[in-house]
Amino acid sequence: AQKVTQAQTEISVVEKEDVTLDCVYETRDTTYYLFWYKQPPSGELVFLIRRNSFDEQNEISGRYSWNFQKSTSSFNFTITASQVVDSAVYFCALSMGYSTLTFGKGTMLLVSP
Amino acid sequence: GAGVSQSPRYKVAKRGQDVALRCDPISGHVSLFWYQQALGQGPEFLTYFQNEAQLDKSGLPSDRFFAERPEGSVSTLKIQRTQQEDSAVYLCASSLAPGQPNEKLFFGSGTQLSVL
Repeated sequence: AQKVTQAQTEISVVEKEDVTLDCVYETRDTTYYLFWYKQPPSGELVFLIRRNSFDEQNEISGRYSWNFQKSTSSFNFTITASQVVDSAVYFCALSMGYSTLTFGKGTMLLVSP
Repeated sequence: GAGVSQSPRYKVAKRGQDVALRCDPISGHVSLFWYQQALGQGPEFLTYFQNEAQLDKSGLPSDRFFAERPEGSVSTLKIQRTQQEDSAVYLCASSLAPGQPNEKLFFGSGTQLSVL
């Protein structure tokens, strides 16, 4: 069975601080995909990134970066110079087979001015 | 609109009532998923359609839950004899291709169901 753990329930930062959201996953499959989604107060989950299990190269997209380490089964997400608009719940998710996603419980990020 | 549309946005039901939740996916999207999100939790898979075929309903919590997508576009999730534990946000998602593990899903804003 697969499992995603997001140990941080809630994180509060002040604008312009850097913040890292942790994600640890469990799976016996060798081929899998990892995702991060953002859920703003409107409720709609917004896709941020997808990474397959064979590609451990870290990725940067603007203020966002992701660190994938198979050795520790982690896929952490860092926001640099956080902004108030980054306030949301962030979900890490795992997928095998057809694209049914197994989500973590989410981390609520509060960025104050 | 261009996104996944769900209605109603909010639904209040008395325990024992039947409810029907609608999902209008992005036009042309083959795959459609229903997820249930309890308060403070991540979404949990309920069921998956590829066009009109329901290929996986392993996540439906009981036989009171029923989903259909008769013409391969709009889908309805029906809950019979609602119970308080059914209170949650029901999210619909669609994707363009037949289910692939790397597919990006597009989610609707959900229907928040409250059973009193």
